[in-house]
Amino acid sequence: KNQVEQSPQSLIILEGKNCTLQCNYTVSPFSNLRWYKQDTGRGPVSLTIMTFSENTKSNGRYTATLDADTKQSSLHITASQLSDSASYICVVSAANAGGTSYGKLTFGQGTILTVHP
Amino acid sequence: DVKVTQSSRYLVKRTGEKVFLECVQDMDHENMFWYRQDPGLGLRLIYFSYDVKMKEKGDIPEGYSVSREKKERFSLILESASTNQTSMYLCASSLLRDRAYEQYFGPGTRLTVT
Repeated sequence: KNQVEQSPQSLIILEGKNCTLQCNYTVSPFSNLRWYKQDTGRGPVSLTIMTFSENTKSNGRYTATLDADTKQSSLHITASQLSDSASYICVVSAANAGGTSYGKLTFGQGTILTVHP
Repeated sequence: DVKVTQSSRYLVKRTGEKVFLECVQDMDHENMFWYRQDPGLGLRLIYFSYDVKMKEKGDIPEGYSVSREKKERFSLILESASTNQTSMYLCASSLLRDRAYEQYFGPGTRLTVT
């Protein structure tokens, strides 16, 4: 069964500090891994996407890594800001699962990040 | 910019009522999805549609139905709402030919069934 596990469940940090969120997955056949940011009361918004051959991708202060051998990904946030307070969701796509055209997505349960001033 | 809108941000319904949640996207996407999101469980796929009048069950279709009469609009129907359907409902859309499978989400509808 395809699964995505994220840790920690929640995290509290002070503004300006760095943090790293973890994602482990068992999804096959692997297509890509995406990190979404979801603000409270909003829909998720894509931050980064990585395919099998990519091991690092940056988007401003967000840097995602992927180790396809160990099936692990991390999201590193540098110099955190109050606006980084949100849920961060790891999502893994399975390639052409069941012949569908949409790519079966498996979602992690998310890490809730709170940044305090 | 892709825009996915949902008809209501908050909805309160009584047990047994028929509930309609509407979703509209403006980017001519072929694929549309309905998810529910519950604390600690992540997003779970209820139904999706890859074309007008076409639909497929997701992981948790029981108690729900859908309708797609126009390409831009995808409706989720709760035939007889129950308290265990209290949840956040998210609609999403994607391009058929996008092999990155990126889905664009609406703002969500928080449904409370009392």
